[in-house]
Amino acid sequence: AQSVTQLDSQVPVFEEAPVELRCNYSSSVSVYLFWYVQYPNQGLQLLLKYLSGSTLVKGINGFEAEFNKSQTSFHLRKPSVHISDTAEYFCAVCHYQAGTALIFGKGTTLSVSS
Amino acid sequence: EPEVTQTPSHQVTQMGQEVILRCVPISNHLYFYWYRQILGQKVEFLVSFYNNEISEKSEIFDDQFSVERPDGSNFTLKIRSTKLEDSAMYFCASSTGGRETQYFGPGTRLLVL
Repeated sequence: AQSVTQLDSQVPVFEEAPVELRCNYSSSVSVYLFWYVQYPNQGLQLLLKYLSGSTLVKGINGFEAEFNKSQTSFHLRKPSVHISDTAEYFCAVCHYQAGTALIFGKGTTLSVSS
Repeated sequence: EPEVTQTPSHQVTQMGQEVILRCVPISNHLYFYWYRQILGQKVEFLVSFYNNEISEKSEIFDDQFSVERPDGSNFTLKIRSTKLEDSAMYFCASSTGGRETQYFGPGTRLLVL
């Protein structure tokens, strides 16, 4: 069975500092990987996704993530965060050979302060 | 930019009552989904719908749940007899294809008393 673990439930960081939000997944087969962001009172918005090819994926708002198959990780990074990046971040996987359902992690709350 | 919309944004109901949550997917999308998030827990997949039938469902999606696409634009989730544990945020999503990006709506917060 697939599962997604987001290792940090909350990440406080100061503005302009770098940040890494960690995500590990377990699956015995190939998966697609996603990061979604949820701003207060809004729906889930796709930040980036990994389907195949280059392991470094760039997304919106300056975020990027690196797929590491040997470590089954897909950590999200940003070199310099802004106050507006304060939100809930969800890592998700899809076992595309079994279906289209997204399996989500519990989410990480990123809090950026000045 | 086209977006998925959901109504109502909030709904309060009594235990045992039926509720219908409504979603308008993006117009050219063919795959439709419902997810839910109980407060403090993960976003969980409920069901996917394609070509006017359920294509996949989770263990959560039992006989009290049903989905329907009553016309060319709406996609609904019905809970026949609500339970306290059905209180959650319910998200609708849609995509152009089974392996394409799923676009989520803002959610309906359901509170069962």
